[in-house]
Amino acid sequence: GENVEQHPSTLSVQEGDSAVIKCTYSDSASNYFPWYKQELGKRPQLIIDIRSNVGEKKDQRIAVTLNKTAKHFSLHITETQPEDSAVYFCAAVRDTNKLIFGTGTLLAVQP
Amino acid sequence: EAGVTQFPSHSVIEKGQTVTLRCDPISGHDNLYWYRRVMGKEIKFLLHFVKESKQDESGMPNNRFLAERTGGTYSTLKVQPAELEDSGVYFCASSLQGAKGTEAFFGQGTRLTVV
Repeated sequence: GENVEQHPSTLSVQEGDSAVIKCTYSDSASNYFPWYKQELGKRPQLIIDIRSNVGEKKDQRIAVTLNKTAKHFSLHITETQPEDSAVYFCAAVRDTNKLIFGTGTLLAVQP
Repeated sequence: EAGVTQFPSHSVIEKGQTVTLRCDPISGHDNLYWYRRVMGKEIKFLLHFVKESKQDESGMPNNRFLAERTGGTYSTLKVQPAELEDSGVYFCASSLQGAKGTEAFFGQGTRLTVV
C-alpha cells in the first residue's frame, strides 16, 4: 500500500523566513496531494492541494510543488508569521479515496 | 454551516472497559472516514463509509473495533475491550465526493486515554 514519509519532524524558523516541508510517496498511482494544518487543540484543516497533472500551485504565501518522477512533493511557506506555527501534514490519495498521511511537521515561527 | 462534530472531546477509561465515539458529518456528505493519531505518529486511516456501507475497513486494527453508520448519517466507533495501545486521538472526516474528489473536512477529534 501507499506510504508517505515527511521531513523534517520539527522545524523552527525566524519570523519572516521561509519554511519548506518535504514529503515522498511510494505509490505511483497516487494522484492527489493535500496539505493539512493543525493548530494546537484544533482540527486539521486543508490549506492547499495539488493534483498529479500540475507541477506547482501557489496561494498567497503558500506554495506546493510536485515531482511525479521522483515521487515527492513539498510545501513552501514564505514570509512566515507566528500564526503559521502548527503541525503540518502532507497526504497522498489514489483511487482508493482515502488519505494516507505523513507523520507531521511541527513548525515553530519565532517572533 | 455546522462542521464535523465529534463527541466526546476527551475520554479516559480503564483497560478492559468499553468506549463509544460518535461522529456527526457535514449534512449531505456521503463519505465518512475514521482516522487515529497515536502520539507523534502519522494520522492513520481506519475506515471509510459511503452512506451506510463500509467501503474500506482495511485500517481497523483488530476485532475490538466496531464502526457503524446506521441510516448513513452519524457514525459510531466502539472499542471493546479497550487496551492501552488504543490511546490516541480519533478523528472523523467527511467529504462530498470522496477524498480525491473534494476536500475532506475533519472534526476536532476525540482524545482517548486508556489507563
